[in-house]
Amino acid sequence: AQKVTQAQTEISVVEKEDVTLDCVYETRDTTYYLFWYKQPPSGELVFLIRRNSFDEQNEISGRYSWNFQKSTSSFNFTITASQVVDSAVYFCALSEPYYGNNRLAFGKGNQVVVIP
Amino acid sequence: GAGVSQTPSNKVTEKGKYVELRCDPISGHTALYWYRQSLGQGPEFLIYFQGTGAADDSGLPNDRFFAVRPEGSVSTLKIQRTERGDSAVYLCASSMGGNTEAFFGQGTRLTVV
Repeated sequence: AQKVTQAQTEISVVEKEDVTLDCVYETRDTTYYLFWYKQPPSGELVFLIRRNSFDEQNEISGRYSWNFQKSTSSFNFTITASQVVDSAVYFCALSEPYYGNNRLAFGKGNQVVVIP
Repeated sequence: GAGVSQTPSNKVTEKGKYVELRCDPISGHTALYWYRQSLGQGPEFLIYFQGTGAADDSGLPNDRFFAVRPEGSVSTLKIQRTERGDSAVYLCASSMGGNTEAFFGQGTRLTVV
């Protein structure tokens, strides 16, 4: 069963528009961690954020913001005023302490294309 | 180096051959992970090391896959009798352990022809 669902495969936006990426997760644990990673064309996964299940405060970092809604098991990511450099694949991931380590279950990713 | 280093960056091999993929983690990181990423998919967990031991190898697809980390630093992922379905990008990550942030390397793109 897919633990992390990212429904939108590819999203195209015009530069300066906002884009929101949806992430829905599934877990039976009460303690878990959620992550977002960016994968530019170079292939390396770049860490963006980690959020634990007890912290439902939304977070903003520059043009990035995250909306964690435990009631709907969602952890959505918004890029404000998108730029061409934001073009990449974005992955949402879940870590469950049940496994005793930080193994990550990734979604299939959202390909974001920012058109100049 | 400052980041996780993986070599080679690209590997083309013939079906049936044996390959080794190397991962050099960030110095001082005790936890090391291998993931496999197929085209258009998210990375899938293969194996986790804490120190020298494989603490969780439940993601290895079959017994053709094996990984070692003899001195608790560099790790080698070994694939025997490669098959075309093994073609993917193999990613390595390291962390300080626990639920700390994992840093990923740029991956090794394996192509089996």
